[in-house]
Amino acid sequence: SQQGEEDPQALSIQEGENATMNCSYKTSINNLQWYRQNSGRGLVHLILIRSNEREKHSGRLRVTLDTSKKSSSLLITASRAADTASYFCATDARGKTSGSRLTFGEGTQLTVNP
Amino acid sequence: EAQVTQNPRYLITVTGKKLTVTCSQNMNHEYMSWYRQDPGLGLRQIYYSMNVEVTDKGDVPEGYKVSRKEKRNFPLILESPSPNQTSLYFCASSLSVRPHEQYFGPGTRLTVT
Repeated sequence: SQQGEEDPQALSIQEGENATMNCSYKTSINNLQWYRQNSGRGLVHLILIRSNEREKHSGRLRVTLDTSKKSSSLLITASRAADTASYFCATDARGKTSGSRLTFGEGTQLTVNP
Repeated sequence: EAQVTQNPRYLITVTGKKLTVTCSQNMNHEYMSWYRQDPGLGLRQIYYSMNVEVTDKGDVPEGYKVSRKEKRNFPLILESPSPNQTSLYFCASSLSVRPHEQYFGPGTRLTVT
């Protein structure tokens, strides 16, 4: 079952605008990660936020986490055409053994128009 | 260069013909995983491995096998492929047994006719 669900499914904005994507999840997590995927290619890790953190920044990226609402948001500021991609959230859920595994949402397709 | 490699990148095969997709990482990572990506279903985990000889099922393990005999390699085996296994497959690895930052391979596009 999918742990994370992104919202919206698709987002189209103009270059220079900010893009906000949301992720909701169902069970307790250890951390939440955001990934980016250019069409048909492998995912690239963007940022990881731990369950005891509320906000994290990396360059033009800002991630927030609200564990009480089981939700996270990814903000991309001053977007560029090169930011056009799919963005996925992934949650670290406990597996059947002592380890754990990532569960991905279905992603938000972001299009930044020049 | 630190990377995850997959082979083949593209494969068209017929129902029932056994195939193996290889995955190798050169970062001495403990954790490795296989995912499939399908339109409207996102990325789903097939199997993962926390270390050599330690594997566990993900969300969609049916029809797949894996092995982890060496730390760097994590092949995905389809003993009897079926058309519903047509998909884009990704291998990924992570430094520790906790799936922190994962490094993804370039993907293998598999078509089963």
